[in-house]
Amino acid sequence: DTAVSQTPKYLVTQMGNDKSIKCEQNLGHDTMYWYKQDSKKFLKIMFSYNNKELIINETVPNRFSPKSPDKAHLNLHINSLELGDSAVYFCASSLGGEQYFGPGTRLTVT
Amino acid sequence: GNSVTQMEGPVTLSEEAFLTINCTYTATGYPSLFWYVQYPGEGLQLLLKATKADDKGSNKGFEATYRKETTSFHLEKGSVQVSDSAVYFCALSPINTNAGKSTFGDGTTLTVKP
Repeated sequence: DTAVSQTPKYLVTQMGNDKSIKCEQNLGHDTMYWYKQDSKKFLKIMFSYNNKELIINETVPNRFSPKSPDKAHLNLHINSLELGDSAVYFCASSLGGEQYFGPGTRLTVT
Repeated sequence: GNSVTQMEGPVTLSEEAFLTINCTYTATGYPSLFWYVQYPGEGLQLLLKATKADDKGSNKGFEATYRKETTSFHLEKGSVQVSDSAVYFCALSPINTNAGKSTFGDGTTLTVKP
């Protein structure tokens, strides 16, 4: 009965490819996020959606495009993958400021 | 803007040692404060929180007190275990969470040796 789920858990792909990561939350929260965690464990917010509407877009390259078909889902599509995109990507939802994180997707670009 | 500064790691302790991880913040108004823990290979999960000044959050033997006068929220545990080895993140969230975003510290890696 996972609260925030992401697929896939691991993603290995070559430079230049396009890939998507899917996220779903069953908590009924209105706000969802995408974070990027680098190899030093630094956590950086990328996007935030509130009730399907984009409210935060943190200087992320245009190659990254989030999509929220409904308030329970927030997907991340990445075009023309680069080596520097290798990281762990976390989806999260929030209520009252408390964040609920998914298990993460480890993206490796070769 | 808001910011969170936490003690640099890594921190290595022996089992049953006392743990302190310092966290200070800069924010407008009175944010809620959080500690999250990330075990190897997992996502972050809430460890404890405090929503107003002088509140003490506690969970699993960990404690932190919201100190408005020193803008701090230091994490403490009296006796750590090997299973506490993880990355710890201090974070703040503004009151109006639909308009703002959470701000995370850089994380502190804790290793507890038997």
